[in-house]
Amino acid sequence: GDSVTQMEGPVTLSEEAFLTINCTYTATGYPSLFWYVQYPGEGLQLLLKATKADDKGSNKGFEATYRKETTSFHLEKGSVQVSDSAVYFCALSDPLGSSASKIIFGSGTRLSIRP
Amino acid sequence: NAGVMQNPRHLVRRRGQEARLRCSPMKGHSHVYWYRQLPEEGLKFMVYLQKENIIDESGMPKERFSAEFPKEGPSILRIQQVVRGDSAAYFCASSRVPTTDSSRNTEAFFGQGTRLTVV
Repeated sequence: GDSVTQMEGPVTLSEEAFLTINCTYTATGYPSLFWYVQYPGEGLQLLLKATKADDKGSNKGFEATYRKETTSFHLEKGSVQVSDSAVYFCALSDPLGSSASKIIFGSGTRLSIRP
Repeated sequence: NAGVMQNPRHLVRRRGQEARLRCSPMKGHSHVYWYRQLPEEGLKFMVYLQKENIIDESGMPKERFSAEFPKEGPSILRIQQVVRGDSAAYFCASSRVPTTDSSRNTEAFFGQGTRLTVV
């Protein structure tokens, strides 16, 4: 069945450091891919998405490129801020796959940024 | 346009009681999803509903859990005879089109969750 595997946390970085959070997926169809962010005590917010191969999603300085050949959707940011501290979830939606009718989430990566 | 509204935000129940969690989707959204998040874990799919219909309940425990999305009013996730292991955050999401829509415009919006504590 469809699944998402992402880098285990926690990840701790200094402010202005470069961030990469790895995400790979398995899907029987051709999924759309998402990154969601969860700030402490809050629900999930969509950070960015990509719906086809080689698409790049971007928002708030974060980027991720849909790589079909490596089944990956790694999240990157060039210079992180303390306010980026949160839990990040990689997810997929596969309308024609075995998990149609739901969004499948990875286990989440907790990111902490030191001032 | 208000977002997805969940209430209560926090719910405390004694073992054996019933918990009722409510979710009002965004205006214009007729597709609702419930997820459970255990402490320090990811989100696990529970159930997907459209108005008056359960489409996919493959993630729902077979006993004690039920969900509905009536024609009028919010979606309700009901847990009967709660146990300590039910303590978790329960998130509701809604979308305008279903995740099976081939247009690929399947963005889901999440509520802030209900944190259930069973004592």
